[in-house]
Amino acid sequence: DAGVIQSPRHEVTEMGQEVTLRCKPISGHNSLFWYRQTMMRGLELLIYFNNNVPIDDSGMPEDRFSAKMPNASFSTLKIQPSEPRDSAVYFCASSFTQGPGNTIYFGEGSWLTVV
Amino acid sequence: QKEVEQDPGPLSVPEGAIVSLNCTYSNSAFQYFMWYRQYSRKGPELLMYTYSSGNKEDGRFTAQVDKSSKYISLFIRDSQPSDSATYLCAMTGNTGRRALTFGSGTRLQVQP
Repeated sequence: DAGVIQSPRHEVTEMGQEVTLRCKPISGHNSLFWYRQTMMRGLELLIYFNNNVPIDDSGMPEDRFSAKMPNASFSTLKIQPSEPRDSAVYFCASSFTQGPGNTIYFGEGSWLTVV
Repeated sequence: QKEVEQDPGPLSVPEGAIVSLNCTYSNSAFQYFMWYRQYSRKGPELLMYTYSSGNKEDGRFTAQVDKSSKYISLFIRDSQPSDSATYLCAMTGNTGRRALTFGSGTRLQVQP
């Protein structure tokens, strides 16, 4: 299996620009998660989907952030407009909810720098 | 106060040492406990998974859960330089919110 695939791996953008991060979950998994990791705050859940439906978006920082999952094999996380404080590593992860303990599998991350 | 507390380290040990990594948590609803290992510039990867209280062993790694104390541990025997990474504990409940809550991670450096 190819694992969770994220793109782009690295993005440098100017403040105010729109950023779109993409994720392809592991085939057969029905839950998808977006996490953000920073030195100060560690790994934070932004949003998660179950069967393509957003279940918990309480971690989304503000209206500048939006996430979609149009089908079982694709999700996007969009930041518009981006700000320097959005600089972080954004991880997508997926799991099979019928599996034991919701063990989730992470992608390699998208490293975002907003200047 | 965070739901899951983890000492960030860094923890530096000589090769061959026994390493003890720990987390405490406050939510008594947590039932599933995991340890993830994250190498530099990589995504976290699942290392160990435990349900409820007890011990689980996998090679050089042992995970312990003490639900009465809300305390979990990961022990690494005969530590190797390749074990140098950040170790994150994670946990979730049996029902309801199914996403994992993570500790902040402990950075481990095993010196050759």
